[in-house]
Amino acid sequence: KAGVTQTPRYLIKTRGQQVTLSCSPISGHRSVSWYQQTPGQGLQFLFEYFSETQRNKGNFPGRFSGRQFSNSRSEMNVSTLELGDSALYLCASSPTGRSTEAFFGQGTRLTVV
Amino acid sequence: GENVEQHPSTLSVQEGDSAVIKCTYSDSASNYFPWYKQELGKRPQLIIDIRSNVGEKKDQRIAVTLNKTAKHFSLHITETQPEDSAVYFCAASIIQAGTALIFGKGTTLSVSS
Repeated sequence: KAGVTQTPRYLIKTRGQQVTLSCSPISGHRSVSWYQQTPGQGLQFLFEYFSETQRNKGNFPGRFSGRQFSNSRSEMNVSTLELGDSALYLCASSPTGRSTEAFFGQGTRLTVV
Repeated sequence: GENVEQHPSTLSVQEGDSAVIKCTYSDSASNYFPWYKQELGKRPQLIIDIRSNVGEKKDQRIAVTLNKTAKHFSLHITETQPEDSAVYFCAASIIQAGTALIFGKGTTLSVSS
């Protein structure tokens, strides 16, 4: 069974631009969550999608948004990029809508210059 | 919202010693507490988890204890080995609310031989 796949693995963007990251969950998993990982703040929860609906949202500005498609694949969008958005963005998939093991992808390393 | 604090931020032990990492959480509704291990350049992986109806859980050299009254939970690693060197994250969530994990800021464990 293929694991969680995130694309692209690396991105370099300029301040003010926008970016879209993609996450394909493990086959059969319906829940996808996104996290931002930085050296200073650790792993911070962004949002969670289940059956195409955003179910939980972390404490991030509205520039961060996401969506989930009918095949459970998810995208995350960041608009008007700031230098502080440079981070590793991880997505995790879970089989059900209740807390169980979350399987993480390798992440997308975003650098904003 | 939930807040998870983790201590210590760094921990150095000799091979064969025990290591203990402690976390506290703020939301008494939290009832699922996983621990993730992240090796350098790799994705976080679940090593053990515990639910609020259990006080202790063991898996070979790893154990987790939970004190619901004090809102504390701890990871215990016995007979540490160099391959245990990694960053360890504790997390908390509410099973019924979905799969949003609120993480502590991590503990960098170094095991020297």
